[in-house]
Amino acid sequence: GAGVSQTPSNKVTEKGKYVELRCDPISGHTALYWYRQSLGQGPEFLIYFQGTGAADDSGLPNDRFFAVRPEGSVSTLKIQRTERGDSAVYLCASSPSPTGELFFGEGSRLTVL
Amino acid sequence: GNSVTQMEGPVTLSEEAFLTINCTYTATGYPSLFWYVQYPGEGLQLLLKATKADDKGSNKGFEATYRKETTSFHLEKGSVQVSDSAVYFCALPFNTGGFKTIFGAGTRLFVKA
Repeated sequence: GAGVSQTPSNKVTEKGKYVELRCDPISGHTALYWYRQSLGQGPEFLIYFQGTGAADDSGLPNDRFFAVRPEGSVSTLKIQRTERGDSAVYLCASSPSPTGELFFGEGSRLTVL
Repeated sequence: GNSVTQMEGPVTLSEEAFLTINCTYTATGYPSLFWYVQYPGEGLQLLLKATKADDKGSNKGFEATYRKETTSFHLEKGSVQVSDSAVYFCALPFNTGGFKTIFGAGTRLFVKA
């Protein structure tokens, strides 16, 4: 069956631009997570959705970052006024229930020049 | 608060050597514990898990035992193969109104033929 799909796989942008990263979770998975992974580091939690609502957004670094999941399936992570420090791999994961077992996509690599 | 600490890498071993990657955690209560693996060019995937104290998780020849007394979940394999070369992450889910999983920094394993 289809796994978690993330697009684009690579995104290069200029400082100050707006970026959207998309995640299509496994069908039927109600929980969806966004993480950020910098080189040589473990995934850093950003936000968790249960259905359409953000149950925990405590990991979003500042108000330039925002995520939505309007119909409880596909999610979009939005980054405004990008900065070079935003460069990382953004990972999406979904889960059939909040049990902790996560199914990850291959990530979207963001490079801010 | 909740945290995960794992040994720094890289770890370089010859084929058929014994592997241990240490992981210790700090948590309230008795959460499940996980090991995830990231093979080159692939997304993170669950390797094994244990849901309660003294449980042993196992998969693909890897094992880890949930030790409440030492708050540890060390990953072991008796005889590594070149194909085990990857980055290994210890992970801890905890309840913040949903389940947020935090990850260790990762340990890179190189296995030489």
